[in-house]
Amino acid sequence: AQTVTQSQPEMSVQEAETVTLSCTYDTSENNYYLFWYKQPPSRQMILVIRQEAYKQQNATENRFSVNFQKAAKSFSLKISDSQLGDTAMYFCASTNYNQGGKLIFGQGTELSVKP
Amino acid sequence: DAMVIQNPRYQVTQFGKPVTLSCSQTLNHNVMYWYQQKSSQAPKLLFHYYDKDFNNEADTPDNFQSRRPNTSFCFLDIRSPGLGDAAMYLCATSRTPDGNTEAFFGQGTRLTVV
Repeated sequence: AQTVTQSQPEMSVQEAETVTLSCTYDTSENNYYLFWYKQPPSRQMILVIRQEAYKQQNATENRFSVNFQKAAKSFSLKISDSQLGDTAMYFCASTNYNQGGKLIFGQGTELSVKP
Repeated sequence: DAMVIQNPRYQVTQFGKPVTLSCSQTLNHNVMYWYQQKSSQAPKLLFHYYDKDFNNEADTPDNFQSRRPNTSFCFLDIRSPGLGDAAMYLCATSRTPDGNTEAFFGQGTRLTVV
């Protein structure tokens, strides 16, 4: 069974600075996908970034990038130049080809960006 | 622009009184999911549909059922809500069931049981 673990329940960062959110996972599958989702207060969950396990290159989306360490089963999210709008709950999630798209979520990290 | 729409946003129901939550999508996606998210916890999948094929998670209580009358709509029925069923219920869609396409979420329905 797949599991996802986020060990940082809460984090804070000053506006314009960089923050890294940690995530580890466990799976016996070879073909899987990893995601970071953002859930702002009272708003819908949206995809921040995704990584295919077979790709060695780390995914990047503007200010968001990941550090994917396959052997260590680690998938951290780096947010550069943090903005007030980045304040949200961040969930790390995984799925694989055999799970029908079912997302297994970590416990979440509540990020506060302070002015 | 809303692509996955959940109604209502807030639902209060009485203990034991059946309640239905609805979800509609304008994306024409094949797969629809219902997740339960209790306070300060990770979302947990209850079931999903791939077209008309219904897939129930092994640990989803029998109290929860779902219907998908067409591609656009999906309903979550809670036959006899208990206090422990109070949660945010999230509907999501994806184009394919293989994890290779993005899941789009609705804003959720927050269910309160009194």
